[in-house]
Amino acid sequence: DGGITQSPKYLFRKEGQNVTLSCEQNLNHDAMYWYRQDPGQGLRLIYYSQIVNDFQKGDIAEGYSVSREKKESFPLTVTSAQKNPTAFYLCASTLYRGNQPQHFGDGTRLSIL
Amino acid sequence: AQKVTQAQTEISVVEKEDVTLDCVYETRDTTYYLFWYKQPPSGELVFLIRRNSFDEQNEISGRYSWNFQKSTSSFNFTITASQVVDSAVYFCALSERGGRDDKIIFGKGTRLHILP
Repeated sequence: DGGITQSPKYLFRKEGQNVTLSCEQNLNHDAMYWYRQDPGQGLRLIYYSQIVNDFQKGDIAEGYSVSREKKESFPLTVTSAQKNPTAFYLCASTLYRGNQPQHFGDGTRLSIL
Repeated sequence: AQKVTQAQTEISVVEKEDVTLDCVYETRDTTYYLFWYKQPPSGELVFLIRRNSFDEQNEISGRYSWNFQKSTSSFNFTITASQVVDSAVYFCALSERGGRDDKIIFGKGTRLHILP
């Protein structure tokens, strides 16, 4: 079945450590997105990519980095510069246009040790 | 600038009651798209509906219905005869006509509790 796979489901980070969240889709979608969800804050856009080897910062990109080397993969790295990384992270994809419905993964919950 | 407001942070109703979730949006564009998503406790967001700015017809899908009114910039969502399985967080979202900054803006969500 087509869909988006995020891994791991739970992730723990130590101080000063970078961690990478995986997002893979087999929907042949061009655009992919990373969101951060905090209680009561809704979804905030971290980064998005509309095409391979190109990506743009969202509203809260500081402390995060991404790559888009393959159409189906859009990994997110939470760097040590992100001082408050504890949150629920959601990956999404859509056909090229932003006016298309987004398909979401099951999310990764990141916590600090 | 785009903005989506879901003023109801949390709602609780007893099963079988009807409930309406409010969504008010702001946009300068004449062409835009509105969405509703459901986030059950498992975490993933599930797409419910998309509506473009030129189609003001109300939509009904089973127990779900949507009321789009451009005059008040609102896109409200009603669940009729609610069920416990409807308990979730519901997000309204807005996308303007696609361009370089091709993205969707989400409201902060409304947490809906259906009590048995």
